[in-house]
Amino acid sequence: SYELTQPPSVSVSPGQTASITCSGHKLGDKYPSWYQQKPGQSPVLVIYHDDKRPSGIPERFSGSKSGSTATLTISGTQAMDEADYYCQAWDSSTVVFGGGTKLTVL
Amino acid sequence: EVQLVESGGGLVQPGGSLRLSCAASEFTFNSYGMDWVRQAPGKGLEWISYISIDSSTIYYAGSVKGRFTISRDNAKNSLYLQMRSLRAEDTAVYYCARWVGDYYYIDVWGKGTTVTVSS
Repeated sequence: SYELTQPPSVSVSPGQTASITCSGHKLGDKYPSWYQQKPGQSPVLVIYHDDKRPSGIPERFSGSKSGSTATLTISGTQAMDEADYYCQAWDSSTVVFGGGTKLTVL
Repeated sequence: EVQLVESGGGLVQPGGSLRLSCAASEFTFNSYGMDWVRQAPGKGLEWISYISIDSSTIYYAGSVKGRFTISRDNAKNSLYLQMRSLRAEDTAVYYCARWVGDYYYIDVWGKGTTVTVSS
């Protein structure tokens, strides 16, 4: 079955840039999306189709993809960005989520 | 405001059954595929099932295939998940989610309903 691999944790200082990676076989042929989930809340879509930002998502969130790796970048990270982040792709009639990355802002 | 509201969760014994419902509002329900996604306590997101706009296409994760049944009633703007032969490992928050098929992502999530399988 298809797998997406994310680092379990990433730390960043306020105001700095955070990068969260997601790797998977031939991910370059798919359209990865990213979700933010804060404790006790439902996930929220922050990036879809590689690099598109839904309305209402701050410009500091951006997505990119190169080869088999997708990256979520948060520029000028704020304390409110501390959350779990999940990448997601579609493969062989299944929705696949990465294991999630806990972003700590300290 | 687009909204998905799940209901039907609760405590059930191993081997038991439960039916979850999801009420959709403020969007054209019969224009979207829908998913169920769950999250076990302290764990990540796990997709479990998808249903197309007219119920003609249905997919399941291997972990629930043969035990869970997804369905929808477009006249009632509702999505369902019938769960049978429940196991302790099915304990999770179950989310109803709206699927955007053009680019393969979920754009709206419900708040979830909690299912606990325990004796």
